[in-house]
Amino acid sequence: EVQLVESGGGLVQPGGSLRLSCAASGFTFSSYWMSWVRQAPGKGLEWVANIKQDGSEKYYVDSVKGRFTISRDNAKNSLYLQMNSLRAEDTAVYYCAREVYWGRNDYWGQGTLVTVSS
Amino acid sequence: QSVLTQAPSASGTPGQRVTISCSGSSSNIGSNTVNWYQQLPGTAPKLLIYRNNQRPSGVPDRFSGSKSGTSASLAISGLQSEDEADYYCAAWDDSLNGVVFGGGTKLTVL
Repeated sequence: EVQLVESGGGLVQPGGSLRLSCAASGFTFSSYWMSWVRQAPGKGLEWVANIKQDGSEKYYVDSVKGRFTISRDNAKNSLYLQMNSLRAEDTAVYYCAREVYWGRNDYWGQGTLVTVSS
Repeated sequence: QSVLTQAPSASGTPGQRVTISCSGSSSNIGSNTVNWYQQLPGTAPKLLIYRNNQRPSGVPDRFSGSKSGTSASLAISGLQSEDEADYYCAAWDDSLNGVVFGGGTKLTVL
């Protein structure tokens, strides 16, 4: 059974940093693109970033470029999102998802809430 | 302001057929495949339709997708109360080099 479990969310002050993790199981992690998608409270879905199987390609939404870094450790079956210089508008539930093809996420985690507030 | 445009709401009665539209441009829907997601209240999104009109295993055939030019549609026939959810379209955008989502359509079953 495919499972994606996010962790690392919490309350952080504006300008602060947070590192999200996603533990994957039930499939060959190193064979899939992976992505992060977020959802602000009461709002729609927003794609944040994705990463190729070997980490050689990464793409980001403009609003997080230069502040967020997506990475993965295939040996640990884990996906990460390093978030720096956090802003109030980054407040959201962050989902980790397996990406079969660009825009096609067939498995999602339960999400982890990031709140940026003083 | 989402890159893909969806009506914020839609409604129908049980048994009815409803259609949800998604409008984009040549850089996204016009040149890439469209995927649809269903998000039930308080849960993670679920892939409903991929590659414009394909259903993942387990998705009822009441759900169907289509694409024409720079627009796509999700149709739900035989509407049921459990279909009440938010629906999102998504596609890769060649100009933005990223995935773009529609703003979502909240479907109410009256």
